[in-house]
Amino acid sequence: NAGVTQTPKFQVLKTGQSMTLQCAQDMNHNSMYWYRQDPGMGLRLIYYSASEGTTDKGEVPNGYNVSRLNKREFSLRLESAAPSQTSVYFCASSELTSGVDGELFFGEGSRLTVL
Amino acid sequence: GNSVTQMEGPVTLSEEAFLTINCTYTATGYPSLFWYVQYPGEGLQLLLKATKADDKGSNKGFEATYRKETTSFHLEKGSVQVSDSAVYFCALGPGGYNKLIFGAGTRLAVHP
Repeated sequence: NAGVTQTPKFQVLKTGQSMTLQCAQDMNHNSMYWYRQDPGMGLRLIYYSASEGTTDKGEVPNGYNVSRLNKREFSLRLESAAPSQTSVYFCASSELTSGVDGELFFGEGSRLTVL
Repeated sequence: GNSVTQMEGPVTLSEEAFLTINCTYTATGYPSLFWYVQYPGEGLQLLLKATKADDKGSNKGFEATYRKETTSFHLEKGSVQVSDSAVYFCALGPGGYNKLIFGAGTRLAVHP
């Protein structure tokens, strides 16, 4: 059972470079999310997509863009990477399109280092 | 605004010891509350949840009770095992689209 798959798992970038983190889920979920995890700060929501064709900003969207390519895939793009974007990025999905049940399914994470 | 505060770790225990990880929250309205667990090298997994005051969530021997009067949702387990070593996150869902707000996480290390 694949669940939520993220690629790449590790990436090192230089300041100013761009890259895209890919995420795909095979559970036919409606909502998808991108979080970043930093020491002492827990997970913070970057962007989310409540359904195919829609995206909305979360708590820390600056410096990022997203694309909900189809129901399965949700990508996160860094156009000009900065050292402050060094973090572990998690993609998650949820069956819900509204309300709260807390049942998010997470990928294994992508560790990004920006030099 | 909405926020979650967890006790700082790491928490180090011997096997079969009693575990408490404190979590308090600030929120408007009546949010749902959750505990997630992250094992080494993995993504987060939902451990348990409670959706209204006085609800008790439980799973795998872990329990937490939603206390509105103290705005708390402390995680407890009567007898921890080495396999419980992980990072535990308290989270709240203030409403809408499962946009959860996570605490900073508490690392638990259990030694034989």
